[in-house]
Amino acid sequence: TQLLEQSPQFLSIQEGENLTVYCNSSSVFSSLQWYRQEPGEGPVLLVTVVTGGEVKKLKRLTFQFGDARKDSSLHITAAQPGDTGLYLCAGGFSSGSARQLTFGSGTQLTVLP
Amino acid sequence: GAGVSQSPSNKVTEKGKDVELRCDPISGHTALYWYRQSLGQGLEFLIYFQGNSAPDKSGLPSDRFSAERTGGSVSTLTIQRTQQEDSAVYLCASSPGHINYGYTFGSGTRLTVV
Repeated sequence: TQLLEQSPQFLSIQEGENLTVYCNSSSVFSSLQWYRQEPGEGPVLLVTVVTGGEVKKLKRLTFQFGDARKDSSLHITAAQPGDTGLYLCAGGFSSGSARQLTFGSGTQLTVLP
Repeated sequence: GAGVSQSPSNKVTEKGKDVELRCDPISGHTALYWYRQSLGQGLEFLIYFQGNSAPDKSGLPSDRFSAERTGGSVSTLTIQRTQQEDSAVYLCASSPGHINYGYTFGSGTRLTVV
């Protein structure tokens, strides 16, 4: 079974603070994606990373793919209440069936005004 | 359509009844996925369709669950003899093909079995 572990599970911070969410696995990813989900909606794709060591920036969000392609992080700078949501990482694996994504259990982020 | 459409958005059913959940993917997307999400949790893979290939049913939790995709477009997920543990949000997603393109999800069907 290919597992993705996310930490922390819950995070509550004040507006303006920085935060980092982690996604780890014992397996090597062929690609990794981050999604954000709001209540009553499906997850929305934020970014895809495919190369070990890759860093992508999306406004105040910075995504990093580990050199060994087993881990990833999402860093948010100066968090805003609009960043509140469930953040999910999802991996496609090099071995076995790579035709669907495996999702982590998510990090529930609450940004207080 | 412009996005992935799922219906109904909410379904309350009695234990033991059968339910059908519908997904209308983005036109031209060859891949279609069903996932299940329990309250505030991650997504559990159920089934995957790619073009005309045989579906990957490896995630279906029991033989009470089945799905079909007609004409490479609309998909229906059927749960027979529903149980309380089937209560969850059922999410459908479509993709142009390779998983690196990412998924576009529908808003889900919230199923409650009473």
